[in-house]
Amino acid sequence: DIQMTQTPSSMPASLGERVTISCRASQGISNYLNWYQQKPDGTIKPLIYYTSNLQSGVPSRFSGSGSGTDYSLTISSLEPEDFAMYYCQQYDSSPPTFGSGTKLEIK
Amino acid sequence: EVQLVESGGGLVQPGRSLKFSCAASGFTFSDYAMAWVRQAPKKGLEWVATIIYDGSSTYYRDSVKGRFTISRDNAKSTLYLQMDSLRSEDTATYYCARHYYDGTYYSLFDYWGQGVMVTVSS
Repeated sequence: DIQMTQTPSSMPASLGERVTISCRASQGISNYLNWYQQKPDGTIKPLIYYTSNLQSGVPSRFSGSGSGTDYSLTISSLEPEDFAMYYCQQYDSSPPTFGSGTKLEIK
Repeated sequence: EVQLVESGGGLVQPGRSLKFSCAASGFTFSDYAMAWVRQAPKKGLEWVATIIYDGSSTYYRDSVKGRFTISRDNAKSTLYLQMDSLRSEDTATYYCARHYYDGTYYSLFDYWGQGVMVTVSS
């Protein structure tokens, strides 16, 4: 299975700050990488698909980039509703695997 | 509006069985692959199984092969997960998700239910 390593595991940040979350795959995944947000009540929604494509309805402050084994999610200016857990997920090979998550916390 | 509503979780003893369901609405259920993804307490997300749009093919993670069965009833727009020979490590919240097929890959889990908790304990 492809292992997905997310860093950092937690990140204190302030409203309006620009933050970047990283995700590294144990082997190249050819940009087959998605990002999800999970709120404290458990609600999960997709943010980015195929590395850099914004899912419908997701604010433009979210963006994704990367290639090969290294990918990142950037939030350009944190809003109150952005404090949540974030997961990356690869689908280059089966089984699809998720990163261990990054908790974005209010500083 | 797409809605996925799971039901049927609970407490079950190790070695026993449990079946729960996910009722879908707001889209043509029979056009889409569906999946179960689980999350153990305080842990990350883990894909469990996927079933293609017509139910003719299913895919499982190794740790549940032979114990879990994913199925669907397109007439009822409902997805199921039958779990047999349950183990303590199966304790998790189980999410129903629509598994988008882009023509080449089962790629994005693009809609998720609210999850149902399953606790395997004596």
